[in-house]
Amino acid sequence: GAGVSQSPSNKVTEKGKDVELRCDPISGHTALYWYRQSLGQGLEFLIYFQGNSAPDKSGLPSDRFSAERTGGSVSTLTIQRTQQEDSAVYLCASSLGGGSSSYEQYFGPGTRLTVT
Amino acid sequence: KNQVEQSPQSLIILEGKNCTLQCNYTVSPFSNLRWYKQDTGRGPVSLTIMTFSENTKSNGRYTATLDADTKQSSLHITASQLSDSASYICVVSGTTDSWGKLQFGAGTQVVVTP
Repeated sequence: GAGVSQSPSNKVTEKGKDVELRCDPISGHTALYWYRQSLGQGLEFLIYFQGNSAPDKSGLPSDRFSAERTGGSVSTLTIQRTQQEDSAVYLCASSLGGGSSSYEQYFGPGTRLTVT
Repeated sequence: KNQVEQSPQSLIILEGKNCTLQCNYTVSPFSNLRWYKQDTGRGPVSLTIMTFSENTKSNGRYTATLDADTKQSSLHITASQLSDSASYICVVSGTTDSWGKLQFGAGTQVVVTP
């Protein structure tokens, strides 16, 4: 079956522009996560969606970052007024359930964002 | 400070040889520990998951060990293959987060050479 997909795979943008990153989770997975992976760093949690519950936004680094999940499926991560320090790989993951770390998270291939 | 520390940062091994990667964590209380493999340009893929009551788990040529008392884990790769070249990430989950948030190590970059 299809795994988690993300688009675009690569994005180069100029400083100050807005970008949208898309994640299509595995069908039937109720939980969705966004992470950021900078060179030489561990994955940094950004935001977590579980069903119709309010998302956990505690990992978003600034108010320039926001995310939506429409219809409990596709999610979009938006970065406004991009800065060079936003350059990283943005990974999306989904899991069958949420509320417990025992659910396996399945990761997408990531979107490599470069801000020039 | 990162609650999950991995060593070494990178290593190069000859095809066919064994190697061991280390993970020390401070996450407490502890729920479970995972090892992920991340190929270049791909998302991480789970290799093993262990709860505090398990001290070893294997997945093919990969064997993970866990000492919950000393908060240490290792991943042993036996008879390495070229396809083992990847980043190996230690991931720990505590019990204090309401939804099982994962804490990621920075990874060990393994290069297997012919």
